[in-house]
Amino acid sequence: GENVEQHPSTLSVQEGDSAVIKCTYSDSASNYFPWYKQELGKGPQLIIDIRSNVGEKKDQRIAVTLNKTAKHFSLHITETQPEDSAVYFCAARGSTLGRLYFGRGTQLTVWP
Amino acid sequence: GAVVSQHPSWVICKSGTSVKIECRSLDFQATTMFWYRQFPKQSLMLMATSNEGSKATYEQGVEKDKFLINHASLTLSTLTVTSAHPEDSSFYICSARRLAGAQDTQYFGPGTRLTVL
Repeated sequence: GENVEQHPSTLSVQEGDSAVIKCTYSDSASNYFPWYKQELGKGPQLIIDIRSNVGEKKDQRIAVTLNKTAKHFSLHITETQPEDSAVYFCAARGSTLGRLYFGRGTQLTVWP
Repeated sequence: GAVVSQHPSWVICKSGTSVKIECRSLDFQATTMFWYRQFPKQSLMLMATSNEGSKATYEQGVEKDKFLINHASLTLSTLTVTSAHPEDSSFYICSARRLAGAQDTQYFGPGTRLTVL
């Protein structure tokens, strides 16, 4: 099955700086790559996603890039704010029943 | 985004009792829902895939007789933890798959914290 690796496991940045989280996947058939933000004690919230026919997608301060050849995708958060502090999960979806394969998560801390 | 609810948000029960958790897609129909379990500081572990009108597909190592899943309608799936024990204590999260044209997206519920005494 699919294997998703996520780095780093923890990331601390100063408010206003940028944060980048990287993921790699193993199954070349995967075609959908969502990113979720999970705050403590809550369920994951979809923040952005990208499909395999697109190389980059942006939504205000958040952007995701995809390199299908290298099988990696990244989340970029600019002008970080303390409320961006949370655990971020990347995921990849192959063809099996629509299930997602998750990375291990990145604990992002934004210091004021 | 689409809304998925879970009920209850937390539950405490005695060892040996059964607990039912509901997952509802509030503003869309979901032919497929997923049930996850999450331990502190860990990623989401898929337990089973729930398809409306058919039997759930369980991941390897997940006991289907202990974690009963029912997906009786396009907006409701339930997970029943039978004869719960302290090791079943965890954060259980469902997600619902929304198909809208070419868009195929998963939305998560807020989770249910289960504590078995």
